[in-house]
Amino acid sequence: ETGVTQSPTHLIKTRGQQVTLRCSSQSGHNTVSWYQQALGQGPQFIFQYYREEENGRGNFPPRFSGLQFPNYSSELNVNALELDDSALYLCASSLGGLASVNTGELFFGEGSRLTVL
Amino acid sequence: AQSVTQPDIHITVSEGASLELRCNYSYGATPYLFWYVQSPGQGLQLLLKYFSGDTLVQGIKGFEAEFKRSQSSFNLRKPSVHWSDAAEYFCAVGAPEQAGTALIFGKGTTLSVSS
Repeated sequence: ETGVTQSPTHLIKTRGQQVTLRCSSQSGHNTVSWYQQALGQGPQFIFQYYREEENGRGNFPPRFSGLQFPNYSSELNVNALELDDSALYLCASSLGGLASVNTGELFFGEGSRLTVL
Repeated sequence: AQSVTQPDIHITVSEGASLELRCNYSYGATPYLFWYVQSPGQGLQLLLKYFSGDTLVQGIKGFEAEFKRSQSSFNLRKPSVHWSDAAEYFCAVGAPEQAGTALIFGKGTTLSVSS
C-alpha cells in the first residue's frame, strides 16, 4: 500500500512568485485535504477536495487554490507569495468522502516546506 | 466556534516515567476528538480517536486518552515513556454534524525525553 507522497520536500521562493505543491493520495483514497503549518503552530485547514470538486475551505485568501485530478492526486497553488506563507504544507488523504474529513481518518504526507524570502 | 487549547508548550519527562499531555476543547456538543503525533521532519500520525461510547480510548504505541465531558478535556497518557516518544503532539477536534468540515488542531506540545 502506497502512502501519501508530497513533492517537492523543500523549496525556496521570493515574494510575489507563484508555487505549486503536489500530493499523491494513498491508494484508494478519494478525498484530499491541505493544511498549512507555520513554525510552532498546529496545522490550519486550507481546503479539501472530493471527486475533483472543492468542498470546504478555511480562512485563506483566493490566491490559495487547488486541483484534484481523476486519479485523486492533488495540487496546491499559491500566487503572489508573501513572507507569511513560509510554512510546512501538509496534504492528507482519506477514504469515504466528506464525512471522512472530520472523522480523523486522515493519512498525512511528510509535507512540503516552503520558505519565502 | 470550535477551539482546542493545549496548555503545555513543552514538557520534559524522564525515560520510564509516566506522561500526561493536556487538551481542552470548546464546542457546543460532543465533538470527535483526536491525538496526532509528529516526529521531526515527518507528517502527522493518528494515535487515537474518540467518537462516542467508552470514555477511555486506547491507541497505538501504548497511549490512551480519557474524555471528560464535565471538564471539556481529552488528556493523553502513557504509563512509561520511551526515548522514541520524543515528538510534537497535537490534539484536534472534528464536528460530527458537519460532514466535510476540517479538523481544528491545537498548537501542540513538544515532548522531550531525558535519560
